[in-house]
Amino acid sequence: AQKVTQAQTEISVVEKEDVTLDCVYETRDTTYYLFWYKQPPSGELVFLIRRNSFDEQNEISGRYSWNFQKSTSSFNFTITASQVVDSAVYFCALRAYNNNDMRFGAGTRLTVKP
Amino acid sequence: GAVVSQHPSWVICKSGTSVKIECRSLDFQATTMFWYRQFPKQSLMLMATSNEGSKATYEQGVEKDKFLINHASLTLSTLTVTSAHPEDSSFYICSVYAREQYFGPGTRLTVT
Repeated sequence: AQKVTQAQTEISVVEKEDVTLDCVYETRDTTYYLFWYKQPPSGELVFLIRRNSFDEQNEISGRYSWNFQKSTSSFNFTITASQVVDSAVYFCALRAYNNNDMRFGAGTRLTVKP
Repeated sequence: GAVVSQHPSWVICKSGTSVKIECRSLDFQATTMFWYRQFPKQSLMLMATSNEGSKATYEQGVEKDKFLINHASLTLSTLTVTSAHPEDSSFYICSVYAREQYFGPGTRLTVT
């Protein structure tokens, strides 16, 4: 069975603060993919990143960075110098290598105040 | 540009009526499409996997007679909510896997 846990339901920060969104997953598969999506108020999911289970290199994209720790089954997402436009719900998701359906965490609602 | 489209983007219907939601894969031929449902302030939950030319596979707890799925072509899957009730009000999102997972913009259904 696959499961994704995002323990933080809501986070509120002030602009320019750094914020980390946690994601812990469970899977019996040895090969899998992890994702982060952003869902703004419009509802449309915005793809942020995909990470393969065999690639534990951390990744940085502008103000976004991701820390993948297979030993602790975590795939955390950090926004540096947050901005008001970062306010959204962020979902972590897991998909097995040989299965095309995706399982989502409960989501973390991030509010960045000016 | 968009890879997956959905129509309509929102719909309001009366209790007891049926509503059809279309999901189109614009750039890929999709033998498999996925339907998700998202209640307000909740996560996306997989409802069913739509298979072109065969019956859909429903997740546990999803009524297949209530949520009819038709995947008649490689670019179109439809979800029909039959005899809709207010508790069916939700945000319905379809997804296509083609080298990557693409999501449609969603359809907001409100049943009054």
